[in-house]
Amino acid sequence: EIVLTQSPTTMAASPGEKVTLNCLASSSVSYMNWYQQKSGASPKLWIYGTSNLASGVPNRFSGSGSGTSYSLTISSMEAEDVATYYCLQLSSYPWTFGGGTKLELK
Amino acid sequence: QVTLKESGPGILQPSQTLSLTCTFSGFSLSTYGMGVGWIRQPSGKGLEWLANIWWDDDKYYNPSLKNRLTISKDTSNNQAFLKITNVDTADTATYYCARTFYYGYNYWGQGVMVTVSS
Repeated sequence: EIVLTQSPTTMAASPGEKVTLNCLASSSVSYMNWYQQKSGASPKLWIYGTSNLASGVPNRFSGSGSGTSYSLTISSMEAEDVATYYCLQLSSYPWTFGGGTKLELK
Repeated sequence: QVTLKESGPGILQPSQTLSLTCTFSGFSLSTYGMGVGWIRQPSGKGLEWLANIWWDDDKYYNPSLKNRLTISKDTSNNQAFLKITNVDTADTATYYCARTFYYGYNYWGQGVMVTVSS
């Protein structure tokens, strides 16, 4: 099983600040998906195939990475970005989620 | 428009079998490459992948649940199902079904809360 470790677990960012969330895989994966989950809501696909933004996702978001190291970056934090973000690997079964990064507003 | 909605018993007792239904619209599980998965989330915790079923009836399970899971589908009625046998309090969670089509889960249901309690 591929274990995904997300860091940091929690972080707070000021409006306009650049934010980077990390996802480290215990073995190499071909690509990574990211999901945004706001409080009380279902997760939403946010980034797929490592770097492709899902429909409706603002272009201040970007994704990158390869092998065992992946990241989600927000170029300029906004209040609406407050949420928990999860990475998901689909390269091999069992599919696995990271533990999540809770992003708060400073 | 793709929609999915989960339904379940709400509450059940330890050792019982949990039966969940995912009723969907806007796509067909007979379409090449289409799949439906189940994911759960205990309150205040992270997401756990449970199982996938594909258009060709291929099935995959999370081995950590040790053969307690059975996933199935009814293509004609646009439904997918998940059974979990011998439940205990650790199975208390919100259960989601989600559609996967080449790029992972891109549509999710609203989730159904399941409580296991004696």
